[in-house]
Amino acid sequence: NAGVMQNPRHLVRRRGQEARLRCSPMKGHSHVYWYRQLPEEGLKFMVYLQKENIIDESGMPKERFSAEFPKEGPSILRIQQVVRGDSAAYFCASSQRDRRSPLHFGNGTRLTVT
Amino acid sequence: GENVEQHPSTLSVQEGDSAVIKCTYSDSASNYFPWYKQELGKRPQLIIDIRSNVGEKKDQRIAVTLNKTAKHFSLHITETQPEDSAVYFCAATPPNTGNQFYFGTGTSLTVIP
Repeated sequence: NAGVMQNPRHLVRRRGQEARLRCSPMKGHSHVYWYRQLPEEGLKFMVYLQKENIIDESGMPKERFSAEFPKEGPSILRIQQVVRGDSAAYFCASSQRDRRSPLHFGNGTRLTVT
Repeated sequence: GENVEQHPSTLSVQEGDSAVIKCTYSDSASNYFPWYKQELGKRPQLIIDIRSNVGEKKDQRIAVTLNKTAKHFSLHITETQPEDSAVYFCAATPPNTGNQFYFGTGTSLTVIP
């Protein structure tokens, strides 16, 4: 059973470009979460999605950031007009529908904005 | 919403000693408490979890205790080894938020050989 798959592992973008981060949850998982992590800092919650629904986006900046989890295909975290401050590791995690089932994390996408 | 606090932020122990990391939570309805280990440059990985109907759970050198009255839970690592060096995160899940997880700020554990 493949784990949570994220791609790309590393992404370099120039200021003003768009970044698209992809996440395929574990098989059988219907919940997806996105977290951002700066070096030597904790996991900052961004958004929580189920298929075709955003459940909680309270941690996501209102501008330039968006997330989706379509009926078919991976979840996408999209950052428009990137700035240097967007440079971070972005982790996706997935879980089963059952409450009290653990999160499983992907290997992350390390975004560098030059 | 739920608020999880984690202490200490850094911890150094000699190899073979025990390490204890503590977390407190604010929502008394929280009923699931996982712990994650994140090695440098890698993804967080679940190492142990506990549900609210249990007071203690053990897995080899790792144990977690839960005190629902005081609203705190702790991770205990015995006979520490250098490969235990990592950042550890606790989390709590209240039942009325779908399956939302609230993480502590992390503890950087260093085991000195």
